[in-house]
Amino acid sequence: SAVISQKPSRDICQRGTSLTIQCQVDSQVTMMFWYRQQPGQSLTLIATANQGSEATYESGFVIDKFPISRPNLTFSTLTVSNMSPEDSSIYLCSVGGIPGQGRRYEQYFGPGTRLTVT
Amino acid sequence: SQQGEEDPQALSIQEGENATMNCSYKTSINNLQWYRQNSGRGLVHLILIRSNEREKHSGRLRVTLDTSKKSSSLLITASRAADTASYFCATAYDTGRRALTFGSGTRLQVQP
Repeated sequence: SAVISQKPSRDICQRGTSLTIQCQVDSQVTMMFWYRQQPGQSLTLIATANQGSEATYESGFVIDKFPISRPNLTFSTLTVSNMSPEDSSIYLCSVGGIPGQGRRYEQYFGPGTRLTVT
Repeated sequence: SQQGEEDPQALSIQEGENATMNCSYKTSINNLQWYRQNSGRGLVHLILIRSNEREKHSGRLRVTLDTSKKSSSLLITASRAADTASYFCATAYDTGRRALTFGSGTRLQVQP
């Protein structure tokens, strides 16, 4: 399995500011995803981070609000822009497409970034 | 949007008892997976069952899949206090798209 780290682990930010979250994987992976988990809720996919091209966003999420970079196969960033209290959530990156029998569809998650917007 | 619902939303049992969680989904899938999340942290992959499988075991875990009813169940046998966590089912669409759609989750509390 892949080892995934995220920075920061948590942050408290003021309304109107932006925060960039980093996701680092210890091996090259084909697929990286960003999810949001609002308090007490399940996970919602924000976007698929594509290496060398623009991310693919899900309905309800736009690039201006959640710009994503993926410069190589081991690293990605998610920025939460112009934050409001409604953006308070846990943001998780995950990786998929790990080579190995029966593991193509499994995803491995980072520890998450807990964001509080005041 | 979420693919489906899980029930119960919350479950409290005594150590040693079995815990059963159910998941329903809406569209055709390639596979269904179960994940565990401890205290709002990262998710841990538990088990994957393919659409052409009906039952799968892994240690104390037993997963069933009924594609005609678009439902799955996760059974944890002989539960332990350490099994206390939230459990989510997640589906991968039958289109090759690898992103997952998560269910609403079940919060399991195992009393020692």
